[in-house]
Amino acid sequence: EAGVTQFPSHSVIEKGQTVTLRCDPISGHDNLYWYRRVMGKEIKFLLHFVKESKQDESGMPNNRFLAERTGGTYSTLKVQPAELEDSGVYFCASSHLLATRQKGQFFGPGTRLTVL
Amino acid sequence: GQSLEQPSEVTAVEGAIVQINCTYQTSGFYGLSWYQQHDGGAPTFLSYNGLDGLEETGRFSSFLSRSDSYGYLLLQELQMKDSASYFCAVRDRTDKLIFGTGTRLQVFP
Repeated sequence: EAGVTQFPSHSVIEKGQTVTLRCDPISGHDNLYWYRRVMGKEIKFLLHFVKESKQDESGMPNNRFLAERTGGTYSTLKVQPAELEDSGVYFCASSHLLATRQKGQFFGPGTRLTVL
Repeated sequence: GQSLEQPSEVTAVEGAIVQINCTYQTSGFYGLSWYQQHDGGAPTFLSYNGLDGLEETGRFSSFLSRSDSYGYLLLQELQMKDSASYFCAVRDRTDKLIFGTGTRLQVFP
């Protein structure tokens, strides 16, 4: 079974530019989460999709961040325009709708975003 | 606010036992999970406690006391490959994870 994949693995952009991160969850996982870890800080929740619907987007920092999950499969997270404080590692995680507690969330390797 | 506190770093030698503590203060609590993360890698699920008590999975065990808002991860028979960061995380009612600050474990030969 393929794991959660994320693209790109690294992205270096200049302040003011736009970046789009992609996440492909494990096939059949309805739950999809985005998290972010800023240097030296804890991993923080951004938002949660159940299929194509946003279940909880309370962690999104501001309206420069836009997440989509069209068709309930892969998801994209767009940052426009990027600011210096957006630098960090963006993780995507997925889980089966009924098995989250016992099996946890499956995380991707992350996208390391650097904004110069 | 919501916070989960863990020691920042723990060191131990191969074959030893180490305990990583986690105290939490969150507005909602539906369980405590533990994740391992090697440098540059993805966080990997280790264990989950929904109720008080001990859960054992091979060399790893996790404990929860909801009345004390406290849990710990116990790693036995430490191996060099266990050197990594370990995170406790509270699961809230919407299933999102609220992570602790992370504990870096270094295992020495």
